Amino acid sequence: EVQLVESGGGLVQPGGSLRLSCTASGFSFSNYGMIWVRQAPGKGLEWLSYISIGGTTTYYADSVKGRFTISRDNAKNSLYLQVNSLRDEDTAVYYCARDRGVTYSDFWGQGTLVTVSS
Amino acid sequence: QSALTQPASVSGSPGQSITISCTGTSSDVGGYNFVSWYQQNPGKAPKLLIYDVSNRPSGVSDRFSGSKSGNTASLTISGLQAEDESDYYCSSYTSTKSRVFGGGTKLTVL
Repeated sequence: EVQLVESGGGLVQPGGSLRLSCTASGFSFSNYGMIWVRQAPGKGLEWLSYISIGGTTTYYADSVKGRFTISRDNAKNSLYLQVNSLRDEDTAVYYCARDRGVTYSDFWGQGTLVTVSS
Repeated sequence: QSALTQPASVSGSPGQSITISCTGTSSDVGGYNFVSWYQQNPGKAPKLLIYDVSNRPSGVSDRFSGSKSGNTASLTISGLQAEDESDYYCSSYTSTKSRVFGGGTKLTVL
């Protein structure tokens, strides 16, 4: 069974940083691209970033470019999102998802909540 | 990249069919056959319903179907059931090698 479990969320002050993690199981993690998507409270989904199977190719949404960094460790079946210079508007549930050909995501984790507040 | 445009809400009675539209531009929906649809229940993760405009993953009911014309994609749910009441999101690959989601549509089964 494919499973994706996010962790690392929490309460952080504006300007702060967090490292979100996503641990994969039930499939060959190193054979799939991965993405991060977030959802602000009561709002829609927002695509944030993509990373290729080897980690050499990454793409970012303009809203987070320069502040967020996606990475992966295939030996640990893990995906990461380093989030820096956090703003109030970054408050959201952050989901990781398994990507298929950069065009759609077929399995999603349950999300981790990041709250940015002073 | 601007969000794709979806109606905020749609409704239908059990047994009826409904269609949710998703309008983009030639740089996303209109430029690629890479539109996907997701269902999301409150507090839950999104679930893939349709990929590459009209393909259903294994396990998704054939009551769900997708299509596209020009810059607008559509999700049709036939034989509406109470369990279909949920939020629905479209997504498209874009010319900047990113993806963009629609704003979401809340489906109410009357």
